[in-house]
Amino acid sequence: AQSVTQLGSHVSVSEGALVLLRCNYSSSVPPYLFWYVQYPNQGLQLLLKYTTGATLVKGINGFEAEFKKSETSFHLTKPSAHMSDAAEYFCAASWTSGSRLTFGEGTQLTVNP
Amino acid sequence: EAQVTQNPRYLITVTGKKLTVTCSQNMNHEYMSWYRQDPGLGLRQIYYSMNVEVTDKGDVPEGYKVSRKEKRNFPLILESPSPNQTSLYFCASSLGGDGGMYNNQPQHFGDGTRLSIL
Repeated sequence: AQSVTQLGSHVSVSEGALVLLRCNYSSSVPPYLFWYVQYPNQGLQLLLKYTTGATLVKGINGFEAEFKKSETSFHLTKPSAHMSDAAEYFCAASWTSGSRLTFGEGTQLTVNP
Repeated sequence: EAQVTQNPRYLITVTGKKLTVTCSQNMNHEYMSWYRQDPGLGLRQIYYSMNVEVTDKGDVPEGYKVSRKEKRNFPLILESPSPNQTSLYFCASSLGGDGGMYNNQPQHFGDGTRLSIL
């Protein structure tokens, strides 16, 4: 079955440090890919999405992600972490028609002062 | 304001007492879906609907029912709730419908409903 895997359920960085959250998908057919962020007591908000075209995708709040077909990866990065980035991040993929999404397990990002 | 609205936000109830969680969207979206979120498991799809009167099972449909009588509403029904249905539930909607051309459309999520079944 097609799946999405996020390596690391918890990631901790210092304020100002690089943020790297990992996401891999299991399929030879590239899906559409999304990163969502969830702040406490809120629903999920879209950070960015990859559909076709440019493999480096820029999103909101300074985040970006690079689609690497050869590595079946879609890692999320931000050059300099801010305290307000502390949240849970979900990678998701869509292979089928009708917008069905498969989610990864989530990564809780902690930003230390 | 474009939004997905879920009610209630919090509910504590007892085993076997039927409950309904409502979901409404004001974006004229074709596609609606229910997920449950559990620690370490991410979000898992319960049911989805590609259009009015069209619903289908997701990955974890057991113990749940849905209906889609009108485009804007997609209630989740627990006929006989059990403790293993204690979870955080999210409703979502998107432009996606039949045909696949909307595969790349992001889903819009409600703020969630935290259910505790005792």
